[in-house]
Amino acid sequence: RKEVEQDPGPFNVPEGATVAFNCTYSNSASQSFFWYRQDCRKEPKLLMSVYSSGNEDGRFTAQLNRASQYISLLIRDSKLSDSATYLCVVMETSYDKVIFGPGTSLSVIP
Amino acid sequence: NAGVTQTPKFRVLKTGQSMTLLCAQDMNHEYMYWYRQDPGMGLRLIHYSVGEGTTAKGEVPDGYNVSRLKKQNFLLGLESAAPSQTSVYFCASGMAPQWEQFFGPGTRLTVL
Repeated sequence: RKEVEQDPGPFNVPEGATVAFNCTYSNSASQSFFWYRQDCRKEPKLLMSVYSSGNEDGRFTAQLNRASQYISLLIRDSKLSDSATYLCVVMETSYDKVIFGPGTSLSVIP
Repeated sequence: NAGVTQTPKFRVLKTGQSMTLLCAQDMNHEYMYWYRQDPGMGLRLIHYSVGEGTTAKGEVPDGYNVSRLKKQNFLLGLESAAPSQTSVYFCASGMAPQWEQFFGPGTRLTVL
């Protein structure tokens, strides 16, 4: 089993749709969780950290389920500009164990 | 602030040649990382550093060496390039406790 797995893509959704991505991780001792966004041929950028109680940033909501070892990202009211690859990132017990998932591609269609 | 910069942006090497990729950050971050990104594989950590003068191996260190002589710079060296090292290389920096990583724009390396 891979250490961090994500929904296979691509996701093609119309503007205004709600879309959800899931990510699972294998190490129950993992401590920190993030969602990054990567545009085509660009560097990854932090979208949001994921907190145990869940957190929201505008149209984006992140949830963490430690018992089931998965993280989710919900995007409401999708915009064309949301088209990108979304990377799930898990940091284990120390800074040297940062694992990026393979990413899920999202295309928002007019 | 420039953030994280990488030099060069593109490079083509022949098998067996050597080169050094330079990463520089102006955010006074303690931690710096080198990743490679290949299609379908996600980013994989090559080497990292937790401070000036320190380096450590990541997930895929073979064939690479690094140095961090100054806090703001992190160099990645390929001593004898191989076609398997064709990839996009990203440098990143960060610090506790947020652990957000800031990435450079990447270096696209092709080894023929």
